[in-house]
Amino acid sequence: AQKVTQAQTEISVVEKEDVTLDCVYETRDTTYYLFWYKQPPSGELVFLIRRNSFDEQNEISGRYSWNFQKSTSSFNFTITASQVVDSAVYFCALSEDKAAGNKLTFGGGTRVLVKP
Amino acid sequence: SQTIHQWPATLVQPVGSPLSLECTVEGTSNPNLYWYRQAAGRGLQLLFYSVGIGQISSEVPQNLSASRPQDRQFILSSKKLLLSDSGFYLCAWSADTGRTEAFFGQGTRLTVV
Repeated sequence: AQKVTQAQTEISVVEKEDVTLDCVYETRDTTYYLFWYKQPPSGELVFLIRRNSFDEQNEISGRYSWNFQKSTSSFNFTITASQVVDSAVYFCALSEDKAAGNKLTFGGGTRVLVKP
Repeated sequence: SQTIHQWPATLVQPVGSPLSLECTVEGTSNPNLYWYRQAAGRGLQLLFYSVGIGQISSEVPQNLSASRPQDRQFILSSKKLLLSDSGFYLCAWSADTGRTEAFFGQGTRLTVV
């Protein structure tokens, strides 16, 4: 069965520091999809990125970057020059190609606190 | 563009009372629909998903049920709430083709007292 592990439960940084969130996954499928979501204090989950298992290119979007390493089953997320607005809980998630209905398996989340 | 509406935003219900949470999606057809629960702490657990009208799959045994009476409407229900049903309930949708991301509603915070 698939599993997503986010070992860091909480990270506290000072504004402008970089912060990296770890995500390790387990799956038996050869084709799968990885996601990151942000949950601000309001509670709604905001989609950040999707990655397909056959595309290992890293991606950068503004201050956000993602490092997908299939060899270590990891999909890490880095926020560069963090800002107070980045304070939220971040979830990594996995969807297997063979799973019906695009179901997502979530990690436990990492709470990021950015202090001014 | 697609939007998802979920209500109510907060709910306080006594133990043993019924529950009905509603979710509707606009701007798309035949979406996959999901109900997730986030209990105290942060983990998200998939409760139900639906790939079409009247098609409901349950992921975990529990005191809740789901229904999809219309293509873009998903309802979460209970006949008698338990204290353990308290939590943050999130509805989500995804496209029915390909492996696309899910988009979430704003959630319902349910407190059973």
